Amino acid sequence: DAEITQSPRHKITETGRQVTLACHQTWNHNNMFWYRQDLGHGLRLIHYSYGVQDTNKGEVSDGYSVSRSNTEDLPLTLESAASSQTSVYFCASSQTGLQEAFFGQGTRLTVV
Amino acid sequence: EDKVVQSPLSLVVHEGDTVTLNCSYEVTNFRSLLWYKQEKKAPTFLFMLTSSGIEKKSGRLSSILDKKELFSILNITATQTGDSAIYLCAVGPYSGAGSYQLTFGKGTKLSVIP
Repeated sequence: DAEITQSPRHKITETGRQVTLACHQTWNHNNMFWYRQDLGHGLRLIHYSYGVQDTNKGEVSDGYSVSRSNTEDLPLTLESAASSQTSVYFCASSQTGLQEAFFGQGTRLTVV
Repeated sequence: EDKVVQSPLSLVVHEGDTVTLNCSYEVTNFRSLLWYKQEKKAPTFLFMLTSSGIEKKSGRLSSILDKKELFSILNITATQTGDSAIYLCAVGPYSGAGSYQLTFGKGTKLSVIP
């Protein structure tokens, strides 16, 4: 079955370190998204991509970057982790022409 | 800026009760409204609504959209403990170039007690 997987599921890192969260989908979807979920804020869009070599900033993109070298993967990089980036991160994908998005299981990141 | 407001933020009901969750929105060039259910893990898709007045139904869950008043409701009848979750509402814009990012509300946390 097609799916979207995130790794790691949990990570603890230190302030200032670079961290990369992986997202891999096997649906062959062109659209991929990264969200963060925090208490009191709901899901907020960090970055998104509509295809290979395409990346766009979302609502809360400062301190994050993404790259899209193939259809299946959209890794999210925290350039220099900060405590404010402690959150649960969700990757999602959708098919071109449709807005229904499918979500990965999430990565809980703690920055200490 | 697109805005989605859900109410109530939390709700506690007894098994068998019927609940109504609300979602209002302000979106430039509205295209669709989506409902998701989140049970500790990934949000899972429930409904997508694009037309006013047409009810979407799946078992005990149903939803309807009012594009004139800019809101949607999600009804759950005969609630069960398995309905306990956070229910998320999201809206998607329409763009001729193709625009697929969703704006989410903060969610309604539903707790169903036996």
